[in-house]
Amino acid sequence: GAGVSQTPSNKVTEKGKYVELRCDPISGHTALYWYRQSLGQGPEFLIYFQGTGAADDSGLPNDRFFAVRPEGSVSTLKIQRTERGDSAVYLCASSLDSYTYEQYFGPGTRLTVT
Amino acid sequence: AQTVTQSQPEMSVQEAETVTLSCTYDTSESNYYLFWYKQPPSRQMILVIRQEAYKQQNATENRFSVNFQKAAKSFSLKISDSQLGDTAMYFCAFTASSNTGKLIFGQGTTLQVKP
Repeated sequence: GAGVSQTPSNKVTEKGKYVELRCDPISGHTALYWYRQSLGQGPEFLIYFQGTGAADDSGLPNDRFFAVRPEGSVSTLKIQRTERGDSAVYLCASSLDSYTYEQYFGPGTRLTVT
Repeated sequence: AQTVTQSQPEMSVQEAETVTLSCTYDTSESNYYLFWYKQPPSRQMILVIRQEAYKQQNATENRFSVNFQKAAKSFSLKISDSQLGDTAMYFCAFTASSNTGKLIFGQGTTLQVKP
């Protein structure tokens, strides 16, 4: 079956602009996670959804970052007033539920803020 | 705080030989899970192997095995019969049962398998 997909694959934007990054999880997976990976580093947790609700958003760096999952499937990570420090690869992962502990990752979106 | 440390930024191994990647972690939790993920240049993070902390037996998956030392909070990955396709960045990761599944990753080890 289809894995986790993310669009776009690459996104270049100017400082101060608004961007949206999309994640399409594996069908039937109720848990969805967003991570941010800076160059040469391990991924860092941003936010976790169980169904439609954000169950843990403790990793969001500030209020410029927001994510939604309105129908419990596709999720969108939204970044307002982008800064150069937001440049990174944004990874999405899904799992059957939050107790399965096996996450399947998408290929990521590389965001570059110029 | 829960932390994961990988002290080897880069490693190399000859094809067909064995290599061990190190990982240590820190937690006060008693029920947790440990993982090794592989990330090739394509960026796709792939689960290599997982270990439940309550299991004393070390996990194995074909050429991949772990040495889980719970008291020492150590979780190393051994790759036997290394293949060129094993060239990638490897991340050790941790999650506690109370974490709602969110993973805490180490800094990664870049492994190059040489022909």
